[in-house]
Amino acid sequence: SQTIHQWPATLVQPVGSPLSLECTVEGTSNPNLYWYRQAAGRGLQLLFYSVGIGQISSEVPQNLSASRPQDRQFILSSKKLLLSDSGFYLCAWSGRGGGYTEAFFGQGTRLTVV
Amino acid sequence: AQSVTQPDIHITVSEGASLELRCNYSYGATPYLFWYVQSPGQGLQLLLKYFSGDTLVQGIKGFEAEFKRSQSSFNLRKPSVHWSDAAEYFCAVGGHNTNAGKSTFGDGTTLTVKP
Repeated sequence: SQTIHQWPATLVQPVGSPLSLECTVEGTSNPNLYWYRQAAGRGLQLLFYSVGIGQISSEVPQNLSASRPQDRQFILSSKKLLLSDSGFYLCAWSGRGGGYTEAFFGQGTRLTVV
Repeated sequence: AQSVTQPDIHITVSEGASLELRCNYSYGATPYLFWYVQSPGQGLQLLLKYFSGDTLVQGIKGFEAEFKRSQSSFNLRKPSVHWSDAAEYFCAVGGHNTNAGKSTFGDGTTLTVKP
């Protein structure tokens, strides 16, 4: 069966420090991958999605970047964190091929920038 | 552009009572609709989905939802709520030829269950 792993679960970082959040998927190949951010009391905002290695699309302008160095690995990064980067970050994957499938989410990373 | 509105930010129900969470969507064609549940500090779990066919869909944990095209709604229901149902619920809409994860999510409804 497919699983998605996201780490760390919790992170407290000072303003101006770098960030690296990692997400890996197991049990499937060539997935679509996504990074979402969830601000307190709000829904999910899609930040990035990827349809293949090295292929990244950004949905909103921001202080963050994403990379996909391997088929099932998706990384969210920042060179210098801002206070406004605080939030709950969720990685997700969906299948490819015919039809339309739902997204499967990781357990999330709670990022607090202080 | 597609959008989702969940009119109720917070709902409180007594254990054993029935539940209905509202969801209204905006989309130019036949939508794909989802309900997810999120426990505190956790990721999202899919409860149910509607792609086509029967407009009343059954999901996990005893939930169901009904697609009403005329009302642009996809309300979530459960006949008898359990304390473990307390969580945040998100409705989402996606479209044809769109990657699933690019669905648009509502802002969520927080469900509190009173003993």
